[in-house]
Amino acid sequence: RKEVEQDPGPFNVPEGATVAFNCTYSNSASQSFFWYRQDCRKEPKLLMSVYSSGNEDGRFTAQLNRASQYISLLIRDSKLSDSATYLCVALDGGYQKVTFGIGTKLQVIP
Amino acid sequence: EAGVTQFPSHSVIEKGQTVTLRCDPISGHDNLYWYRRVMGKEIKFLLHFVKESKQDESGMPNNRFLAERTGGTYSTLKVQPAELEDSGVYFCASSQERSVEQYFGPGTRLTVT
Repeated sequence: RKEVEQDPGPFNVPEGATVAFNCTYSNSASQSFFWYRQDCRKEPKLLMSVYSSGNEDGRFTAQLNRASQYISLLIRDSKLSDSATYLCVALDGGYQKVTFGIGTKLQVIP
Repeated sequence: EAGVTQFPSHSVIEKGQTVTLRCDPISGHDNLYWYRRVMGKEIKFLLHFVKESKQDESGMPNNRFLAERTGGTYSTLKVQPAELEDSGVYFCASSQERSVEQYFGPGTRLTVT
C-alpha cells in the first residue's frame, strides 16, 4: 500500500466548475500536509498547507481529517490556468521526510 | 530573491558513466533535500541535509549514489556508475531552519542509455 494515495485522474472539467480531489495517507505519524501544484515538465510549487481546521485561499479550500487520515482540495470556479497536476504531500514530524502522492491531473476545458 | 537552481537541466549519459548533479539552494536555507521522479511514479525522497550534515539519507537507492554538501551551501549528487534505472528527474528543494515549506528547483532530467 502506498503511503500517500491519490487518484491520478485525469479529471476533465469545464470552466467554472467545482472540482474536489482527495488523498489518503497511511502513516499516522505524519504531522503536516500540503498540496503542491506541478505544471507539465516544471517543478512542484507549494499551493497551500492543510490544517484540521480547514483553510481557504481564494477559490481553493483544503481540509484535513486526521481520524480518517484523509486530505481534500476543493477548487471552485475552475479556470483554464488551473490545469496542472496536484500533488498531495505528507511530512513526518521527525526528520521532515516528505512523502508525495502520484498526483492528480486536472484539465479545465473551455 | 533567486530561487533554487539546478545544473545541468538535462543530462544524457551511457550506462556505466558518471554524472554529477548540482543544486544551489536559496541563500540562507539550512535544509536541502534531494528527490527523484521516475517516469510514471511518485516523487521519491532521497536525502536531507541540515547545513553540511546528512540528516536523513534513508531514500538513497544504493551506494552508487553519493551526495555532498561541503560548507553547507550548494550540494552535489553523484551517480557512479550510472544504470538504466537511474533515469528520471532529480529535484532539489530547500527550506529555512524549522520551516516545513520547501521550495523546489527546476530539476535535472537524467537519461541513461
